[in-house]
Amino acid sequence: LAKTTQPISMDSYEGQEVNITCSHNNIATNDYITWYQQFPSQGPRFIIQGYKTKVTNEVASLFIPADRKSSTLSLPRVSLSDTAVYYCLVGANNQGGKLIFGQGTELSVKP
Amino acid sequence: GAVVSQHPSRVICKSGTSVKIECRSLDFQATTMFWYRQFPKQSLMLMATSNEGSKATYEQGVEKDKFLINHASLTLSTLTVTSAHPEDSSFYICSARPPEEGSEAFFGQGTRLTVV
Repeated sequence: LAKTTQPISMDSYEGQEVNITCSHNNIATNDYITWYQQFPSQGPRFIIQGYKTKVTNEVASLFIPADRKSSTLSLPRVSLSDTAVYYCLVGANNQGGKLIFGQGTELSVKP
Repeated sequence: GAVVSQHPSRVICKSGTSVKIECRSLDFQATTMFWYRQFPKQSLMLMATSNEGSKATYEQGVEKDKFLINHASLTLSTLTVTSAHPEDSSFYICSARPPEEGSEAFFGQGTRLTVV
């Protein structure tokens, strides 16, 4: 299973755009890239998923270069409530596809 | 959207007793579910893959006789921590993915286990 590497922590201020980059050099052909958000004492919550190029939804954008060896989660105009741990995962996109968590990025948004 | 629900959300038990945690997929059938454990300030660690109608697959280093997994139906998997000890105190989380192609995995709200 592809291993992911992310910055351990990041700081930002309210209203700023935050970009978190994840490295996954040995991503497999059938792997998807998925980002989750976790608040303390809660299960992870899905943010966005993609396979290649760019994906955008109502909360974030995901940029994936052509070689797919990295991806960048972009959070526009963060607020205090975006303070959380963000995990980048790669894996097969089927019911039996394991998701192995890396260390995640602890994002702290300050006023 | 799809929901995965865990019960209980928190439990306190005495050393030596067993605790059962339930994980349900509320609006989809899941032939596979996953169990994770998370210690404070750490990431989620995959413990095992729960397979409906067959034995669970455990990750390396996870004691299968200690953490019993039963996936008796397509919407329910249970994790039983047997003969619990204080070091088993942790946050246990399950996940499952709907069968539709491209679906993301959903996670339960987690179960905080405290062994005293």
